[in-house]
Amino acid sequence: TQLLEQSPQFLSIQEGENLTVYCNSSSVFSSLQWYRQEPGEGPVLLVTVVTGGEVKKLKRLTFQFGDARKDSSLHITAAQPGDTGLYLCAGVFTSGGSYIPTFGRGTSLIVHP
Amino acid sequence: DAGVIQSPRHEVTEMGQEVTLRCKPISGHNSLFWYRQTMMRGLELLIYFNNNVPIDDSGMPEDRFSAKMPNASFSTLKIQPSEPRDSAVYFCASSLGQTLTNEKLFFGSGTQLSVL
Repeated sequence: TQLLEQSPQFLSIQEGENLTVYCNSSSVFSSLQWYRQEPGEGPVLLVTVVTGGEVKKLKRLTFQFGDARKDSSLHITAAQPGDTGLYLCAGVFTSGGSYIPTFGRGTSLIVHP
Repeated sequence: DAGVIQSPRHEVTEMGQEVTLRCKPISGHNSLFWYRQTMMRGLELLIYFNNNVPIDDSGMPEDRFSAKMPNASFSTLKIQPSEPRDSAVYFCASSLGQTLTNEKLFFGSGTQLSVL
């Protein structure tokens, strides 16, 4: 059983369209992170949200942390082919003095020109 | 900084052989993580170290898996003997582990392991 459920699993859209991907959990996390992974590479951090209800924007990307800190969404406006990749959410908990991200399976996004 | 460096990038081996994956974290980072990624299970945490000490290895699937961090600049993940179901991409990541809001994992490019 996955601690974090991401939906949809796959998304194929045309350039210029808007999209939203979701990350849901029954657990409350200290914070939640979104990463993007391109083929053949490791994930790269996009954003960290900490406070319930927090909204962060990164150019055309808008990230929201749920009020109860159990879920999050990523909204992309006017998607571009360069947005293609695997989007991973990670719930962060603290243990042994470290911050431990636990990942969902990801949403694979393809943006067609 | 060169980032997290993993080697080899690709490893093809036969069932029963020993496999050793290597990782050099970013200098100054005090936390190191080993993850495994497959289509079916996504990115799974295998083990993590804090200041070179293994903190939690509960994600290591079996006794065939072992990991060491002899110093702050080097870690290995060993599989002995390897099995076809171990085929996956293995990632190493490091972080400063400072504060919750600044915490950021830096991943290597991964090792693509194929066990035939």
